[in-house]
Amino acid sequence: GESVGLHLPTLSVQEGDNSIINCAYSNSASDYFIWYKQESGKGPQFIIDIRSNMDKRQGQRVTVLLNKTVKHLSLQIAATQPGDSAVYFCAEKSRDNLFFGTGTRLTVIP
Amino acid sequence: ETGVTQSPTHLIKTRGQQVTLRCSSQSGHNTVSWYQQALGQGPQFIFQYYREEENGRGNFPPRFSGLQFPNYSSELNVNALELDDSALYLCASSPGDSYEQYFGPGTRLTVT
Repeated sequence: GESVGLHLPTLSVQEGDNSIINCAYSNSASDYFIWYKQESGKGPQFIIDIRSNMDKRQGQRVTVLLNKTVKHLSLQIAATQPGDSAVYFCAEKSRDNLFFGTGTRLTVIP
Repeated sequence: ETGVTQSPTHLIKTRGQQVTLRCSSQSGHNTVSWYQQALGQGPQFIFQYYREEENGRGNFPPRFSGLQFPNYSSELNVNALELDDSALYLCASSPGDSYEQYFGPGTRLTVT
């Protein structure tokens, strides 16, 4: 079955530094990936997505990198702010549905 | 534009009881997916509805069932509740031609 895992369960960064959150996936046939942010007491919020025919996509302060060779994707957050503190999930589309990893808790230190 | 809403926000049930959770999709979205999120875990896909028909199902037993209505709102029903059913239940809607899902705030179900 699908397996989407994260390398680190927690990540602490200083305010203003860049953050990198990593994710490994197991299904080489997956063709679409999404990063979500989930704040306490809220549902996941869409951040950015990427299709398998791309290796990089940029948004506002965020960049997603996809390495299909090693089945790895990462989320980079530039100039991390206190409001970025949350749990971040990568999700993989497989058989027309999304499968989520366990999540990484990002804590921004003022 | 109204986002995805869910009701109730919190619910406490006893083992063996039945529960119905409700979801109103975002305006213009005809696809609704339901997820179960246990504490400290990522959301796990339960099933998806598209135009009132089930359109995919995860690894959940038949006592988890659902409905989608003509206005694209949806219900999740769980029969014979078990303690392990305690979780945050999330509803997400999307346009039929997109996998970009928009989540509601969830319903926190506690089974005692």
